[in-house]
Amino acid sequence: EAGVAQSPRYKIIEKRQSVAFWCNPISGHATLYWYQQILGQGPKLLIQFQNNGVVDDSQLPKDRFSAERLKGVDSTLKIQPAKLEDSAVYLCASTLRTSGYNEQFFGPGTRLTVL
Amino acid sequence: AQSVTQLDSHVSVSEGTPVLLRCNYSSSYSPSLFWYVQHPNKGLQLLLKYTSAATLVKGINGFEAEFKKSETSFHLTKPSAHMSDAAEYFCVVTQAAGNKLTFGGGTRVLVKP
Repeated sequence: EAGVAQSPRYKIIEKRQSVAFWCNPISGHATLYWYQQILGQGPKLLIQFQNNGVVDDSQLPKDRFSAERLKGVDSTLKIQPAKLEDSAVYLCASTLRTSGYNEQFFGPGTRLTVL
Repeated sequence: AQSVTQLDSHVSVSEGTPVLLRCNYSSSYSPSLFWYVQHPNKGLQLLLKYTSAATLVKGINGFEAEFKKSETSFHLTKPSAHMSDAAEYFCVVTQAAGNKLTFGGGTRVLVKP
């Protein structure tokens, strides 16, 4: 079974530039998550989708971050404009459904460096 | 509200000796608890989970954890460390329903030959 795919794996940009990350979840997984993992810290949830609808985006800095999952499968996370403190690994995860407990499967992440 | 505290940011052990990673949690509801492992440049992998069944939970690669409600703890142990156990470990809590994970700060494990 193919896992969660993310691209690119690494990205280096200058502050005030924009950047986009892509995630392809495991086939059939209705729920998709984006996490931010700053160096030395645990991942923090940014946004959760159920199919193509947003379930929780309370931790998403909406002045600069946006995310979409238009067809309920792939998702993109965008930062515009980037700040130095956005340097982190951005993790995508998926799970079969939201109700009850379902294991979240994580992708390898995209490491973003903002100079 | 829920939170997780991992009491050690770094743990160093010799190969073949026991490993103990400490975790305390706080949750307003009956929690589900997990341990994830993250090897360098790899995705997070689930080691084990507690979801209100047996309090002693066995996971992959010889790891186990014990849920102690009175102490609000969920410590991870392994009787004999292997070089391949060198990684970062995260204790995670979620409410019984909803799947929103709250991660601890992580414990980096170094295994010396």
